[in-house]
Amino acid sequence: GAGVSQTPSNKVTEKGKYVELRCDPISGHTALYWYRQSLGQGPEFLIYFQGTGAADDSGLPNDRFFAVRPEGSVSTLKIQRTERGDSAVYLCASRRGVGADTQYFGPGTRLTVL
Amino acid sequence: AQKVTQAQTEISVVEKEDVTLDCVYETRDTTYYLFWYKQPPSGELVFLIRRNSFDEQNEISGRYSWNFQKSTSSFNFTITASQVVDSAVYFCALSGHGYALNFGKGTSLLVTP
Repeated sequence: GAGVSQTPSNKVTEKGKYVELRCDPISGHTALYWYRQSLGQGPEFLIYFQGTGAADDSGLPNDRFFAVRPEGSVSTLKIQRTERGDSAVYLCASRRGVGADTQYFGPGTRLTVL
Repeated sequence: AQKVTQAQTEISVVEKEDVTLDCVYETRDTTYYLFWYKQPPSGELVFLIRRNSFDEQNEISGRYSWNFQKSTSSFNFTITASQVVDSAVYFCALSGHGYALNFGKGTSLLVTP
């Protein structure tokens, strides 16, 4: 597809469970970002990949959160032992190259932890 | 540390009115980038504009215009002759050398017929 895609669009899970959220960036984009958006707030940065490596993971809230991008394209955000406070929309964005090119966002995954 | 402040939480206007959305930022970086994104009810963030810190030239794109003033650390967004389809949440964002975006809390714009 032409844009960033994210799956699933909605995920409902129970407290304590493990979840994986997937992001498929725009073809050819080398940089990939994860953000989290709580209701009524702006997106908050979680982690940034340049290629396969995490260039900046300073936004991850704790060690329950982890993300990978093994082949430099698709990325998976993994959350262990989910808590109700993890409920939010998780947004993925990709950028063409190095530098401050524009980030283009996917539709997000709405995570609800019961 | 970087910070973006959008003091207007909600704005309501009648169609065809002009409306300005305010954005004030703080950064210690000498090189930085400013962005505006639109988030319609569907939820997907739509890129509107990017500005770098060395380019203070104002920009106009159709009914949209942006006023960047480094002296007041502001990057305001004006919609001329607003339309119902402009109803959305608008976010101002800032990135520095790390390239991660720091977003404001957003301004919810409602345009009524």
